[in-house]
Amino acid sequence: SAVISQKPSRDICQRGTSLTIQCQVDSQVTMMFWYRQQPGQSLTLIATANQGSEATYESGFVIDKFPISRPNLTFSTLTVSNMSPEDSSIYLCSVMGQGGSYEQYFGPGTRLTVT
Amino acid sequence: KQEVTQIPAALSVPEGENLVLNCSFTDSAIYNLQWFRQDPGKGLTSLLLIQSSQREQTSGRLNASLDKSSGRSTLYIAASQPGDSATYLCAVLIQGAQKLVFGQGTRLTINP
Repeated sequence: SAVISQKPSRDICQRGTSLTIQCQVDSQVTMMFWYRQQPGQSLTLIATANQGSEATYESGFVIDKFPISRPNLTFSTLTVSNMSPEDSSIYLCSVMGQGGSYEQYFGPGTRLTVT
Repeated sequence: KQEVTQIPAALSVPEGENLVLNCSFTDSAIYNLQWFRQDPGKGLTSLLLIQSSQREQTSGRLNASLDKSSGRSTLYIAASQPGDSATYLCAVLIQGAQKLVFGQGTRLTINP
């Protein structure tokens, strides 16, 4: 399994500002993902963070709103830009294990509230 | 488009009971199915992973089954305890896309 940490664990931000969330993994992994969980909802994939190239975004998510960096195989950041109250969610980083089972592991999440 | 449904949305039972949570999916072209546990405001903990070629997996008091042809999975919890109270999510990994599609979850409450 992989141990994943996220910073910050929670934040309260004003509308119109941006927040960058960091994800650190304790081992090198090929696949890293960012998910959003809106209040009372299940998880939705935002994008796959690709090392050395641009992230791959899911339908409904765009790079200008959610820029992602992946400088190496253990670290990624997600920025939530020009925030509105609708961006209030838990943002989770996940990785796919290297053992060939394609099991996914999740970080503790970042709880974002936009006022 | 793959859709995952979990029934019931919420379940409350007394301590000690055995219980079953259900998950169904619309497209059988999956690589695997995972069951997760989520405590309020927290991240996800992986409970069990079933590969598409497998029928069931067990871990302690938990047993998960998979019937890929009918698009169904169940999570059986034996001798439930108050510490089992959480939201349980199932997710399928779409073949070729390496993308997890989640159900809406079952919120489980075990009453002492």
